[in-house]
Amino acid sequence: DQQVKQNSPSLSVQEGRISILNCDYTNSMFDYFLWYKKYPAEGPTFLISISSIKDKNEDGRFTVFLNKSAKHLSLHIVPSQPGDSAVYFCAASATTGNQFYFGTGTSLTVIP
Amino acid sequence: EAGVAQSPRYKIIEKRQSVAFWCNPISGHATLYWYQQILGQGPKLLIQFQNNGVVDDSQLPKDRFSAERLKGVDSTLKIQPAKLEDSAVYLCASSLRLAGYNEQFFGPGTRLTVL
Repeated sequence: DQQVKQNSPSLSVQEGRISILNCDYTNSMFDYFLWYKKYPAEGPTFLISISSIKDKNEDGRFTVFLNKSAKHLSLHIVPSQPGDSAVYFCAASATTGNQFYFGTGTSLTVIP
Repeated sequence: EAGVAQSPRYKIIEKRQSVAFWCNPISGHATLYWYQQILGQGPKLLIQFQNNGVVDDSQLPKDRFSAERLKGVDSTLKIQPAKLEDSAVYLCASSLRLAGYNEQFFGPGTRLTVL
């Protein structure tokens, strides 16, 4: 039962353009969401998070948008850089629960 | 601040052999997680500790997998005997407290290949 879904396995974007990565979830109890970035042979590293009391959180070039009614969140990277090429995972948790649920990841390639 | 340490980084074994992985979380982090990540999938939680107590091991195949966190710091994950389908990256993560408004910090993982 995949509670967090990333339906695009891969995405290619030109350097300098916007990258938009999408994530959908099914559990309405989820109220905290995170994005992780993973390079090959390394563990995921935390990128940005958002709680359900917000609909947007921004950190430099990275912005996460949350649409609770649609159970959808997205990560925007502007402008995209070659160093952003990695696999991006979204994760969700409920503050009443104990664990994070991860999506299957989207592999982003930023073309110089 | 030192990150989450894991060893070994790579391990190749034959099926039916046993293997153990070690994790040292970030100092002061009470919660420790072991995840299994199969190629092309997201990390799947195997077991979660709060200090040295198990919080959730519902997805741990207990007939072959075991884990412990003695003294509430380091942890080991063991597989005995290993099967072909256990080939995956095993990630250890830690956080200050239980899931909620705090993120997890991951180690580099151990890539296990079972032949």
